[in-house]
Amino acid sequence: DTGVSQDPRHKITKRGQNVTFRCDPISEHNRLYWYRQTLGQGPEFLTYFQNEAQLEKSRLLSDRFSAERPKGSFSTLEIQRTEQGDSAMYLCASSFPVTGISNTGELFFGEGSRLTVL
Amino acid sequence: AQSVTQLGSHVSVSEGALVLLRCNYSSSVPPYLFWYVQYPNQGLQLLLKYTSAATLVKGINGFEAEFKKSETSFHLTKPSAHMSDAAEYFCAALRYNNDMRFGAGTRLTVKP
Repeated sequence: DTGVSQDPRHKITKRGQNVTFRCDPISEHNRLYWYRQTLGQGPEFLTYFQNEAQLEKSRLLSDRFSAERPKGSFSTLEIQRTEQGDSAMYLCASSFPVTGISNTGELFFGEGSRLTVL
Repeated sequence: AQSVTQLGSHVSVSEGALVLLRCNYSSSVPPYLFWYVQYPNQGLQLLLKYTSAATLVKGINGFEAEFKKSETSFHLTKPSAHMSDAAEYFCAALRYNNDMRFGAGTRLTVKP
């Protein structure tokens, strides 16, 4: 399978602990995105990378959140000192940048990593 | 930033009936527009996309959407609903080289 993969699929942690999620994008894609989705809501943009450069970060990404993509391939999203409000599905997606009709920027999503903070 | 509004958080139709899910975007420049579907505990799957090549776009599973610039709309339709269409549907917009923004979603229920 050459789709986007995320690990772990489920994570239960206690408040105050640190958690890390990993995303492996489609290998040809140089853009990688992180979104957060809570129950009954659409995905909320967190951040995105083009190759190893982090190009944009949402205001939602507090200083407890950090994302990296050190070699322009896989990415990690770390949440420090987790809070109950961090409970959500964390979605990773990858794409080519928009270049016209052939590459129109559609995102390819992984299955998500569900975080539960007790 | 681009914003997307989906009218109706929940739509219920009978099997075989027309499906209409509404999406409006706010922008003076039409963005690229997308519809995604999400089944429980899964990621999002692309249904179809508008990229200015044609205003009526056909997607997978019999869905189609029509871009109407005058109404800033991109509504999703399907002539005849199947039970397997029950899912959450998201409209999304992408400005050139920017991030993709999603609507709040519409949950489609199909009654037998």
